[in-house]
Amino acid sequence: DTGVSQDPRHKITKRGQNVTFRCDPISEHNRLYWYRQTLGQGPEFLTYFQNEAQLEKSRLLSDRFSAERPKGSFSTLEIQRTEQGDSAMYLCASSLEGTTSTDTQYFGPGTRLTVL
Amino acid sequence: AQSVTQLGSHVSVSEGALVLLRCNYSSSVPPYLFWYVQYPNQGLQLLLKYTSAATLVKGINGFEAEFKKSETSFHLTKPSAHMSDAAEYFCAVNHAGGTSYGKLTFGQGTILTVHP
Repeated sequence: DTGVSQDPRHKITKRGQNVTFRCDPISEHNRLYWYRQTLGQGPEFLTYFQNEAQLEKSRLLSDRFSAERPKGSFSTLEIQRTEQGDSAMYLCASSLEGTTSTDTQYFGPGTRLTVL
Repeated sequence: AQSVTQLGSHVSVSEGALVLLRCNYSSSVPPYLFWYVQYPNQGLQLLLKYTSAATLVKGINGFEAEFKKSETSFHLTKPSAHMSDAAEYFCAVNHAGGTSYGKLTFGQGTILTVHP
């Protein structure tokens, strides 16, 4: 178990540029979540995958955001035409589906995005 | 809808003193509750979780929490604070059922400072 990894750890970009983040979950985990955390706040849910299917998207996920998990393993989160309000820590978590909703989510270290 | 309120954005204690971090939840269905800890520039680490079994839950690093349905609370405690406990702590509730299976809703976090 090597844990959840995210790349890059930090990204600085100029307003209007596109950025893409990658998340590699724990290998046997079939569930993958993206959250966004702004300064002084708790993480907020963005989207959820079960295997390769994106089953839920938050209203926070505007049309400029897109996420994929093409083979049910790693996932990417792309932000197009970045805005200063997109500056945040983007967290990825994974879990193994259980028989109840108590399956634990394991979080990666996050990608900190700064939009200038 | 489910929500979590953490009372006190900052808590300061002396080393060796009792740690008490407060969390109240709102849920229309029996909740599953979690406490996570976040160290600077790191992801979230699970401390403990309540899954409708025992109401007193023991976690890692000497932390425990008690689920009190009548008070809709899930406060986190540790008898004796250590310098290494200084971090930000998040309470979270799990959404169960339908397409929201497993999604976490977090409180705003409590920063714990431990003085020598």
